[in-house]
Amino acid sequence: ETGVTQTPRHLVMGMTNKKSLKCEQHLGHNAMYWYKQSAKKPLELMFVYSLEERVENNSVPSRFSPECPNSSHLFLHLHTLQPEDSALYLCASSQDIGQDYGYTFGSGTRLTVV
Amino acid sequence: SQQGEEDPQALSIQEGENATMNCSYKTSINNLQWYRQNSGRGLVHLILIRSNEREKHSGRLRVTLDTSKKSSSLLITASRAADTASYFCATGLYSGTYKYIFGTGTRLKVLA
Repeated sequence: ETGVTQTPRHLVMGMTNKKSLKCEQHLGHNAMYWYKQSAKKPLELMFVYSLEERVENNSVPSRFSPECPNSSHLFLHLHTLQPEDSALYLCASSQDIGQDYGYTFGSGTRLTVV
Repeated sequence: SQQGEEDPQALSIQEGENATMNCSYKTSINNLQWYRQNSGRGLVHLILIRSNEREKHSGRLRVTLDTSKKSSSLLITASRAADTASYFCATGLYSGTYKYIFGTGTRLKVLA
C-alpha cells in the first residue's frame, strides 16, 4: 500500500452506464491528480486539484467529471463513455503543487468500456 | 508533442548485469524524476534530480542529468529479477500550473 487507495480495481461498464472511480489518501497531501494510461501512450494528465480546487483541466471530454469534496478524496464520475476510454486510470497525490514534490500513485482502476 | 521520451522502449538483460535507460526531453525543466511501474500497478517514485544537479545515487540506482543535451539516464546496477518493470521519466515544468509530463517508458525484463 502506497497510502493512495483506488477503488474499484477493475470496472467493466457499458457505454450508457454511469459509474464513479474513487481515490483516497491519508498522507496529508494537498494536491491530487487523475492520469489516464493507455497502451503504448504516455501517461495523460487529466485533472489537477490543489486544496480541493481544480487548477488544471487538460481538454478532457465532458463525459469525465471530477469531484474533490475534501483534500483526502477525489472522484472521477463517468458517463456515456466510448470504447477508446478503456484504460488504466491512475490517481496520484503530492504534498503540494510545485517542484520538488514526488507523486504517490494508487494502484489504478482498470476500466473496460464495452 | 511529447516532452519526455525514454530509450530504449524495451530492454532484456540477465540477472546481475547493469541496465541503462535514457530519457530525452524538449524544453527547459526544473527537475526530472524517475518512476517504476510493475505490470498493471501504479507508479512508484524512485528518484528526483534537480536541474542544477548532475548525478544522484540511491542504492543500486544512479541517475545523471545533462541539461545541455536535455537528457537523463537511469542506471540500475547488479540487476535482479525483481527489477523487471517499466521505468518512466517525468519532467517537471511550469505550464499554467506546475506539472510533471511522463514519457512512454522503458520495459525492462531481467532474466533469472
